[in-house]
Amino acid sequence: AQRVTQPEKLLSVFKGAPVELKCNYSYSGSPELFWYVQYSRQRLQLLLRHISRESIKGFTADLNKGETSFHLKKPFAQEEDSAMYYCALSGTSYGKLTFGQGTILTVHP
Amino acid sequence: DGGITQSPKYLFRKEGQNVTLSCEQNLNHDAMYWYRQDPGQGLRLIYYSQIVNDFQKGDIAEGYSVSREKKESFPLTVTSAQKNPTAFYLCASISREGTEAFFGQGTRLTVV
Repeated sequence: AQRVTQPEKLLSVFKGAPVELKCNYSYSGSPELFWYVQYSRQRLQLLLRHISRESIKGFTADLNKGETSFHLKKPFAQEEDSAMYYCALSGTSYGKLTFGQGTILTVHP
Repeated sequence: DGGITQSPKYLFRKEGQNVTLSCEQNLNHDAMYWYRQDPGQGLRLIYYSQIVNDFQKGDIAEGYSVSREKKESFPLTVTSAQKNPTAFYLCASISREGTEAFFGQGTRLTVV
C-alpha cells in the first residue's frame, strides 16, 4: 500500500522567512514523488518532481529514503507563495497516484 | 487549446439519484484519474484508468462507477449507494512518461 502524510494542515510564516512543508511517505518500492500546488482560483498544478532535482520558484525538495520524507523548502518565502500544497507519490510512471492531505501555506507581509 | 475539461462546474442532485460527471482531455494522455477533495482530507483517489477499456479502483471506490470507452473520456457516475456524495471532484490525466498530472477545474456536486 502507498500512503502520503502531510502532518501540517496550516502553516503561517512572514515574508522573507524560511519555510518547510513536511511530507512523509510509505511505499515498499522506489517511489516517484511530487509536489503540487493550488493557488487561489487556479487549477492544481505540478510544482516539482524529485527526479528532476530542480528548483522551481525558489522551492526545492530532497528525497530522503532513510526517513521516507520529501520535504519542500524555500529559504525566503514570498506572499505569492500562499497556496495549498500537496505532496504526491506514484509507484509507477502512470499508475496509482496518491496525494497527501495538503498544507495551506500563508505568507504574511 | 489543449487541456482537460470537466463539466458541469456545479451540479445539484436530489438524494437517491445517480449523477454522471464528465471529464474530457485532448492531450492524448493514456492515464486518467478521478479524485474527491474534501476539506482536511486532501485528494482521495476514486478510480483510475491506465488504458482504454480498463480501470482500477482507488482508495474510495465504493458508491462510484466509471467507464473508459475512449481515450479522451473518463466519466464518473456517483450512484445512490454513495453515502456522502456532496464534494468537490477533480479529474486528472497523465502522459505515458508519467512526468506530470494535469487537472481539470473540478465539479462541485451538492446532493440535497
